[in-house]
Amino acid sequence: GAGVSQSPSNKVTEKGKDVELRCDPISGHTALYWYRQSLGQGLEFLIYFQGNSAPDKSGLPSDRFSAERTGGSVSTLTIQRTQQEDSAVYLCASSLMGANTGELFFGEGSRLTVL
Amino acid sequence: AQSVTQPDIHITVSEGASLELRCNYSYGATPYLFWYVQSPGQGLQLLLKYFSGDTLVQGIKGFEAEFKRSQSSFNLRKPSVHWSDAAEYFCAVGARAAGNKLTFGGGTRVLVKP
Repeated sequence: GAGVSQSPSNKVTEKGKDVELRCDPISGHTALYWYRQSLGQGLEFLIYFQGNSAPDKSGLPSDRFSAERTGGSVSTLTIQRTQQEDSAVYLCASSLMGANTGELFFGEGSRLTVL
Repeated sequence: AQSVTQPDIHITVSEGASLELRCNYSYGATPYLFWYVQSPGQGLQLLLKYFSGDTLVQGIKGFEAEFKRSQSSFNLRKPSVHWSDAAEYFCAVGARAAGNKLTFGGGTRVLVKP
């Protein structure tokens, strides 16, 4: 499809387990973002990738969170030793840098529930 | 650092009535400003954006917003709401220097009464 694709759409896991969330951005978009949306809250920035530059990890809440982007395309957000407070919807977005648009295109999110 | 405040957590409006959602931002330079809508069970969709030029911007679904630098505001308006406008609305601020990273407000949930 033409949009940002995220998987899984829903993930239920037990406390202490590791989870991986995947994001497939729009083809040609060089910037990729991860946000977290907790119940009833706004969007919290997690991490940002731009081309081959070092990612901006300033929003990652703890060292249990990490993300990588392979080949400048697909990204994986990994949460190790999940905790109940990690339960949230994780949103991925991509953007076409250099076009001076600044518009982010969002996927539908991965809903994570930690029991 | 950028920040965005949406003072109203919930707003209830009657169908056909006008709607205004408030957004105040904090940023030292000229910001990029956005409004996104999130309908139940769906991803965020861009309603409109402001980069420069005309301070009154038109968006999709009949929405418009006005950038007021003196008030650091970017309020969203719609003259006549439809039941399908029930959703959560997010204001966001970005800047080229920040790599187009957007900072979002906490959102305003709009309920539409028949």
